[in-house]
Amino acid sequence: NAGVTQTPKFQVLKTGQSMTLQCAQDMNHNSMYWYRQDPGMGLRLIYYSASEGTTDKGEVPNGYNVSRLNKREFSLRLESAAPSQTSVYFCASSEGRGQIYGYTFGSGTRLTVV
Amino acid sequence: AQSVTQPDIHITVSEGASLELRCNYSYGATPYLFWYVQSPGQGLQLLLKYFSGDTLVQGIKGFEAEFKRSQSSFNLRKPSVHWSDAAEYFCAVAPFHAGNNRKLIWGLGTSLAVNP
Repeated sequence: NAGVTQTPKFQVLKTGQSMTLQCAQDMNHNSMYWYRQDPGMGLRLIYYSASEGTTDKGEVPNGYNVSRLNKREFSLRLESAAPSQTSVYFCASSEGRGQIYGYTFGSGTRLTVV
Repeated sequence: AQSVTQPDIHITVSEGASLELRCNYSYGATPYLFWYVQSPGQGLQLLLKYFSGDTLVQGIKGFEAEFKRSQSSFNLRKPSVHWSDAAEYFCAVAPFHAGNNRKLIWGLGTSLAVNP
């Protein structure tokens, strides 16, 4: 019953460093999403993947890249981290292409860029 | 523009008291409607959703929500709050039209504190 697994749970980066956030789901879901959550800003969509082999930009894609490695895995990469990317990052998945099924969320990655 | 408003940023209730969290949306047609809960340090969990039909929907953890078309509202309720209900609650809307079915519109959340 793992659901959506995110790694790491916590990370501190120096400005300019790169890292990849990993996300894997075991529910055979087609769609996967990356969000960031900031105080007072709510949840903002970074990128999403409607199905294996496709990715699309969300509201705040600048400074990020994604890879839908296979149906299970969807990674988020920060090529050159900036303090503005300090946030809590959530991966989510859903059964279909649309939103009507509801999302299953991972427990998040708390990232601090100094 | 489509939007979701949760008017109450923070609410405090006593354990055992009833709860109502407000959610209003701005959209031309009836969208899909959701409530999610986020416990401290955790991801979001789907509480309930409304697509069509009966305007009173039941969810997990004893929560229910009522869709009122005339008020563009989807308020979340619980008759008797437990200390474990202390969390952040998010209302979300999925516009119902083809071609834009991937983006959930989120409210900013309501933080619920429960006094013993």
